[in-house]
Amino acid sequence: DGGITQSPKYLFRKEGQNVTLSCEQNLNHDAMYWYRQDPGQGLRLIYYSQIVNDFQKGDIAEGYSVSREKKESFPLTVTSAQKNPTAFYLCASSIAPFRQVNQPQHFGDGTRLSIL
Amino acid sequence: GQQLNQSPQSMFIQEGEDVSMNCTSSSIFNTWLWYKQDPGEGPVLLIALYKAGELTSNGRLTAQFGITRKDSFLNISASIPSDVGIYFCAGHLRYGGATNKLIFGTGTLLAVQP
Repeated sequence: DGGITQSPKYLFRKEGQNVTLSCEQNLNHDAMYWYRQDPGQGLRLIYYSQIVNDFQKGDIAEGYSVSREKKESFPLTVTSAQKNPTAFYLCASSIAPFRQVNQPQHFGDGTRLSIL
Repeated sequence: GQQLNQSPQSMFIQEGEDVSMNCTSSSIFNTWLWYKQDPGEGPVLLIALYKAGELTSNGRLTAQFGITRKDSFLNISASIPSDVGIYFCAGHLRYGGATNKLIFGTGTLLAVQP
């Protein structure tokens, strides 16, 4: 089945550690996104990428980094500079606007990151 | 970042009741999307709206793109226990640029008592 796979489902981080969250999609989408969700809040955009080897900061990029070496993959690294990393992280993908504008984003099942 | 005004924040209803929730903005939108999120899962797209005035159904769900392009509502008829979850509206701003960035509402928590 086509879809977006995020792993792991749960992740624990010690203070001062970097951790990397995986996101893979087989929908042949050019655009991919990372969101952070905190309890009782909507989704906030961390980073997005419209094409391989290119990515842009979203609204809350500080303390995070990404790479986009392959169309199918968009890993997110939560660095030690992110002071409040405990949250639910969601990856999404869509048809890119250079192909068709205003396309819905489709989401993975998320990774819950907690600090030990 | 900008967020949409979504209401109500939460609803607690009996099975079989109809439900209505809405999103409003001071800005004009090109699309309105409605997602449902189950606990511990990612949001799933329910309905996508692309034209002002458009009314679209998906089973017991009906959503409309407001004529002013600044609002949208979602109705659920004859609610059942599996309708429980958080419902989010989202949309593309009219002048959002070539980024496909979505603006999200803060969500409506729906609880259905059997």
